[in-house]
Amino acid sequence: NAGVMQNPRHLVRRRGQEARLRCSPMKGHSHVYWYRQLPEEGLKFMVYLQKENIIDESGMPKERFSAEFPKEGPSILRIQQVVRGDSAAYFCASSPFPGQGQANYGYTFGSGTRLTVV
Amino acid sequence: TQLLEQSPQFLSIQEGENLTVYCNSSSVFSSLQWYRQEPGEGPVLLVTVVTGGEVKKLKRLTFQFGDARKDSSLHITAAQPGDTGLYLCAGARDSSYKLIFGSGTRLLVRP
Repeated sequence: NAGVMQNPRHLVRRRGQEARLRCSPMKGHSHVYWYRQLPEEGLKFMVYLQKENIIDESGMPKERFSAEFPKEGPSILRIQQVVRGDSAAYFCASSPFPGQGQANYGYTFGSGTRLTVV
Repeated sequence: TQLLEQSPQFLSIQEGENLTVYCNSSSVFSSLQWYRQEPGEGPVLLVTVVTGGEVKKLKRLTFQFGDARKDSSLHITAAQPGDTGLYLCAGARDSSYKLIFGSGTRLLVRP
């Protein structure tokens, strides 16, 4: 039973390029959560998606960032026109049930995508 | 605003020593979790505590949730080099799905 799969593991982009980060949830899970970890900091919530729906994007920057979780395929976190400040590790977690109360059981995180903007 | 404060930020100890890591807040949490993260990897869940005063043991690790559910501690007995890593506490408020993470305690256990 594969865990949460993220790719690529490492991504280097020049300023102004686009970054696309992919997250495949655990089998049978239809809820995905994205978190960002800046160097030497804890993780910060970005967005919660259900299949074909954005439930909560309150932690996502208003500009340049978008996320989707289509009916088929992985969830995608897209960052347009990347800047140096976007350099961070991006993690996703998944759950089989609606998010409310899920935190009481803990999350399984993927290994993350480390984005470096040069 | 950092809702969860972890201390110490860094800890370097000799193999065999005991240590305690603290996670404090002025806010009440419905649950609190501890994760361990190794370089280049994602956080791995160690334990979840949901009841005030709850104590959970995981081999040489003991986790406690404060009576008021505002703080937690992680105690490691007879630390080993394999315990080296970043320890993160994370809390959920009002049973929300959204985790609030502390900034972590970086532990180095020297052989």
